Amino acid sequence: KQEVTQIPAALSVPEGENLVLNCSFTDSAIYNLQWFRQDPGKGLTSLLLIQSSQREQTSGRLNASLDKSSGRSTLYIAASQPGDSATYLCAVYDNAGNMLTFGGGTRLMVKP
Amino acid sequence: DVKVTQSSRYLVKRTGEKVFLECVQDMDHENMFWYRQDPGLGLRLIYFSYDVKMKEKGDIPEGYSVSREKKERFSLILESASTNQTSMYLCASRPARSGSITGELFFGEGSRLTVL
Repeated sequence: KQEVTQIPAALSVPEGENLVLNCSFTDSAIYNLQWFRQDPGKGLTSLLLIQSSQREQTSGRLNASLDKSSGRSTLYIAASQPGDSATYLCAVYDNAGNMLTFGGGTRLMVKP
Repeated sequence: DVKVTQSSRYLVKRTGEKVFLECVQDMDHENMFWYRQDPGLGLRLIYFSYDVKMKEKGDIPEGYSVSREKKERFSLILESASTNQTSMYLCASRPARSGSITGELFFGEGSRLTVL
């Protein structure tokens, strides 16, 4: 059964820092991977979707990479801002591209 | 922009009541999902639907049922609410897979249900 782990569970950084959030998965036979952001008490907002044939995706200050062979994905946030404070979750699709397994999330706090 | 709308942001119900949670998406997505999210347990899949009138059990279907009579609407039903069903419920949708491409999953704002 696929297991998805996000380390660290919580992270606090000063504004302006570049930071990396990690996501690891046990079964490398995944179809693709999606990163989400969740604000307290709200739903999940899609940030980036990396298809199985891709190695990375970029959107603004965000860059996500995928290394299926090592079972890892990273989300890079450049020049962090207080508005980036949220919980970030990764989710991997099974090999058929149907079901997702979510990680537990990294709670990010960016201090002014 | 894709919009997934959940009809109620907050609900308070009593044990034994029948509860309906409604979800509507406006992007003609084939696939729709219901999750619940609890501290320490993360997101768990309750039911999903690949198309109208189709439904599949997820990881924790006990105590729940679903209805998908129209493509845009996916309803979650708690036949007899219990206190252990107090949770945040999240609806999501995405387009059907197209060849080797799987579409993005989009979530609603969530419905926080409290069962007393």
